[in-house]
Amino acid sequence: ETGVTQSPTHLIKTRGQQVTLRCSSQSGHNTVSWYQQALGQGPQFIFQYYREEENGRGNFPPRFSGLQFPNYSSELNVNALELDDSALYLCASSFTGGRYSPLHFGNGTRLTVT
Amino acid sequence: AQSVTQPDIHITVSEGASLELRCNYSYGATPYLFWYVQSPGQGLQLLLKYFSGDTLVQGIKGFEAEFKRSQSSFNLRKPSVHWSDAAEYFCAVGGGFTNAGKSTFGDGTTLTVKP
Repeated sequence: ETGVTQSPTHLIKTRGQQVTLRCSSQSGHNTVSWYQQALGQGPQFIFQYYREEENGRGNFPPRFSGLQFPNYSSELNVNALELDDSALYLCASSFTGGRYSPLHFGNGTRLTVT
Repeated sequence: AQSVTQPDIHITVSEGASLELRCNYSYGATPYLFWYVQSPGQGLQLLLKYFSGDTLVQGIKGFEAEFKRSQSSFNLRKPSVHWSDAAEYFCAVGGGFTNAGKSTFGDGTTLTVKP
C-alpha cells in the first residue's frame, strides 16, 4: 500500500511569486485535505477536495486554491506569496464513503518565503 | 466555532515515568476527538480517537485517553514513557465520523524524555 507522498520536500520562493505543491493520496482514498502548519503551531485546515471539487474550506483567502485530479491526487496553489505563508504544508488523504476513515498524512512540504 | 486548547507547550518526563497531556475543546455538538503524534520532519500519525461509547479509549503505542464531557477535556495518558515517545503531540476536534479531514488542531505539546 502506497502512502501519502508530497513534493517537493522543500521550497524557497520570493514574496509575490506563485507556488504549486503536489500530493499523491494513499491508494484506496478519494479525499484530500490540506493543512498549513506554521512554526510552533498546530495544523490549520485550508480546504478539502472530494470528487474533484472543493468540499469545505478553512479561514484562508482565495489566493489559496486547489485541484483534485481523477486519480485523486491533488495540488495546492498559492498566489501572491506573503512572508506569513512560510510554513509546513501537510496533505492528508482519507476515504469518504459512509464509514470512518482516519487521515493519513504525508511528510509535508516546507515552504520558505523571502 | 470549534477550538482546542493544549495548555502545556512543553513537558519533560523521565523515562519510565507516567505521562499526561492535557487537551480542552470547545464544540457545539457531540465532539469527535483525536490525538496525533508528530516526529521531527514527519507528518502526523493518529494515536487514538473518540467518537462515542466508552469514555476511555485505547490507542497505539500504549497510549490511552479519557473523554470527560463535564470538563470538556480529552487528556492523553501513558503509564510508562519510553525515550522513543519524545515528539510533538496534537489534540484535534471535529471532522465527523465519515470526514476526519476538517479537524481543528491545538497548538501541540512538545514532549522531552530524560534518560
